[in-house]
Amino acid sequence: DIQMTQSPSSLSASVGDRVTITCRASQGISNYLAWFQQKPGKAPKSLIYAASSLQSGVPSKFSGSGSGTDFTLTISSLQPEDFATYYCQQYNSYPWTFGQGTKVEIK
Amino acid sequence: QVQLQESGPGLVKPSQTLSLTCTVSGGSISSGGYYWSWIRQHPGKGLEWIGHIFYSGSTYYSPSLKSRVIISVDTSENQFSLKVTSVTAADTAMYYCARDVGGNYDSWGQGTLVTVSS
Repeated sequence: DIQMTQSPSSLSASVGDRVTITCRASQGISNYLAWFQQKPGKAPKSLIYAASSLQSGVPSKFSGSGSGTDFTLTISSLQPEDFATYYCQQYNSYPWTFGQGTKVEIK
Repeated sequence: QVQLQESGPGLVKPSQTLSLTCTVSGGSISSGGYYWSWIRQHPGKGLEWIGHIFYSGSTYYSPSLKSRVIISVDTSENQFSLKVTSVTAADTAMYYCARDVGGNYDSWGQGTLVTVSS
């Protein structure tokens, strides 16, 4: 199985901060990577697919980049509604696997 | 806009079979190109991919669950289902259904909590 490792596991940030979350795959996955946001008690929400394609309706403050084994999710200016847990997922090969999550908290 | 809704028992006894259904509205489950997926989340933990079924009927499962899982589609009811046999407390989780096209998950159900307990 391909292991997905996110860093950091959690972070504290202030409103208006630029936030970057990293996801590393244990082997190359081309650009077959998605990012999700999950708020407490809610279903995950798709943000990014194909490493850098923005899901319809997702604000442009979210952006993704990377290819191969190293990927990043960037939130350009953190807003109160962005405090949540973020997950990456590879879909290059079965079984599809998720990262362990990054919790973004208010500083 | 396609909407998905999970349904099924919230409590299952150990060694029994967990059965959930995901009802699709606003679109046909037979539409080409989509995977119909199940994902679960243990309490306080991360997301775990269970498997999915392609619109053509092909299925793909996580190896860790493959011996106990069946995902199927009922096109007449516009639903797809998850069965997990021989459940234990380790199967207690929130179960989500979702639609994806090659990793682009564009629709999710709200999730349903299943507790395995006697």
